[in-house]
Amino acid sequence: QKEVEQDPGPLSVPEGAIVSLNCTYSNSAFQYFMWYRQYSRKGPELLMYTYSSGNKEDGRFTAQVDKSSKYISLFIRDSQPSDSATYLCAMSAVTNAGKSTFGDGTTLTVKP
Amino acid sequence: NAGVTQTPKFQVLKTGQSMTLQCAQDMNHEYMSWYRQDPGMGLRLIHYSVGAGITDQGEVPNGYNVSRSTTEDFPLRLLSAAPSQTSVYFCASSYDGTTKYEQYFGPGTRLTVT
Repeated sequence: QKEVEQDPGPLSVPEGAIVSLNCTYSNSAFQYFMWYRQYSRKGPELLMYTYSSGNKEDGRFTAQVDKSSKYISLFIRDSQPSDSATYLCAMSAVTNAGKSTFGDGTTLTVKP
Repeated sequence: NAGVTQTPKFQVLKTGQSMTLQCAQDMNHEYMSWYRQDPGMGLRLIHYSVGAGITDQGEVPNGYNVSRSTTEDFPLRLLSAAPSQTSVYFCASSYDGTTKYEQYFGPGTRLTVT
């Protein structure tokens, strides 16, 4: 069983919709939770980064971590066609900087 | 800053050939990592380094070697290429501080082994 499972998608939504992207994990040592966005044929770029449980908001993006359920989410409000990309969740234990474990990614298409 | 750079962008190898994928960063980051990404999948860690002279294996290290003689460079060597190594390879780096879990990625090297 994989340490990190990500809802596979793909997702297709109309412009302006709220998008929810989700990952579950099994390793209790994970303390750092990241979301990366990857455009086609490009390298991943960091979107959000949270430590332990709680919420973090950055513009239209909100990251949530529920460590008791081992569940993390990324919400995108007022989605735009430019948000069309693959979203990857990633996690690290405290002692493992540089060693993130990634989900398989969810491909999102936002239609005008 | 150029960030994380990778060369070459594309490469085709025959089975059994060897080659080195280059990775460099100009951000003075201590941590550097190599990942591979297969179609429809996330990134899997090959090797990583926490500083010059220090490297360790990741999830899928077989068939690859690394060394880190400087802070800036972290080359990945394929010893004897196999078709199973056809993939997109990404190098990443991060700073040893409160943001050390935030990795910056290069543009990738697309490798095909025939």
